[in-house]
Amino acid sequence: QSVLTQPPSASGTPGQGVTIPCSGSSSNIGSNTVNWYQQLPGTAPKLLIHSDNQRPSGVPDRFSGSKSGTSASLAISGLQSEDEADYYCAAWDNNMFGWVFGGGTKLTVL
Amino acid sequence: QVQLQQSGPGLVKPSQTLSLTCAISGDSVSSNSAAWNWIRQSPSRGLEWLGRTYYRSRWYNNYAVSVKSRITINPDTSKNQFSLQLNSVTLEDTAVYYCARVGGSGSLDYWGQGTLVTVSS
Repeated sequence: QSVLTQPPSASGTPGQGVTIPCSGSSSNIGSNTVNWYQQLPGTAPKLLIHSDNQRPSGVPDRFSGSKSGTSASLAISGLQSEDEADYYCAAWDNNMFGWVFGGGTKLTVL
Repeated sequence: QVQLQQSGPGLVKPSQTLSLTCAISGDSVSSNSAAWNWIRQSPSRGLEWLGRTYYRSRWYNNYAVSVKSRITINPDTSKNQFSLQLNSVTLEDTAVYYCARVGGSGSLDYWGQGTLVTVSS
């Protein structure tokens, strides 16, 4: 059981947009910034969004993040086949004094 | 460009010690603005943070409660790397293990390539 809650799956067609939610609590998302990761099969997670809504260099602006209270979301616009991957949210937790993660959302591009 | 290169055995017997190393290039394990982490991923437990080491005028370590009695993370300044030791492993410790850096953005920004460690007799 992951500390942060994500839906196990999401889907969309090429060109469409999709939003992946992440729910937490006051000790993690409510107090600290949220990061999002993309994981392709057999590879390490790749940082997609940090500090709630900041894209590292090289990440397309089709990816955006937002946060409100104890929830966050990752939005992907103009879906492409290469976006098919697992997506994870993460945040520091003040009670556990460590990083906590969502269970991951498997995105399928139909 | 920061790179993290992991090494270590992929098979460990139950009750023995799991040992992995993460070699750093493009940054320093003694950096005053970074923290060096170990994380594992398994189908049953998902992504699980295990602990970190970092230097702020002296060395600090923090460990996840779930493994606190069995884990040690050590920096090696002479080789610019850090290591993970997990004692008394069981089948439940079978996972892909990653090292990762927390950098200036405050996020786990660079990750090692991952090492599948199987606990089996």
